Amino acid sequence: GDSVTQTEGLVTVTEGLPVKLNCTYQTTYLTIAFFWYVQYLNEAPQVLLKSSTDNKRTEHQGFHATLHKSSSSFHLQKSSAQLSDSALYYCALSDRGAEGADRLTFGKGTQLIIQP
Amino acid sequence: GGIITQTPKFLIGQEGQKLTLKCQQNFNHDTMYWYRQDSGKGLRLIYYSITENDLQKGDLSEGYDASREKKSSFSLTVTSAQKNEMAVFLCASSILGVSYEQYFGPGTRLTVL
Repeated sequence: GDSVTQTEGLVTVTEGLPVKLNCTYQTTYLTIAFFWYVQYLNEAPQVLLKSSTDNKRTEHQGFHATLHKSSSSFHLQKSSAQLSDSALYYCALSDRGAEGADRLTFGKGTQLIIQP
Repeated sequence: GGIITQTPKFLIGQEGQKLTLKCQQNFNHDTMYWYRQDSGKGLRLIYYSITENDLQKGDLSEGYDASREKKSSFSLTVTSAQKNEMAVFLCASSILGVSYEQYFGPGTRLTVL
């Protein structure tokens, strides 16, 4: 089956410094899209970035990620962290089943804390 | 736009009790999902449904039942609550076969005494 690995459970970064959250995966040929979801405290997870194109940089809200199928990676980066970036971040991939439904496989999540 | 509503927001139960969580969406999405969120374990799929009266098992379906009463609502039942269990249950929805993106509700936090 599919799997997503986020190696860091907790990342602490000083405000203004760069952020990198790692994500690697194992997947079948049915995988159609890759995501970063962000979950702020007491809120629902929401999509931060989405990609299905190899070697194409995707950007949103100052974050960026590039899908590299050659290395099975989809790392999340930001050049300058802000206090408001503190949240739980999930990497996920989406497969489409025979019935047409999309099933997400999530990593275990990385808690990002930005300190002043 | 649309919204996903989950009730109750907090659920406290006793060991062995049957507990039901409810989810409503007004996106008019075909597919609905139930996930369990545990700290350090990510989100794990319990059940999903591609249309009214359809049910598909996820990776964590044992110990749960689900019911898709109508297109807009999807219920999850914990068949026998386990002592000291604590988790957040998240409902999500998406368009069938068109969009890869799932939209999530705010969750129900379960505590079993």
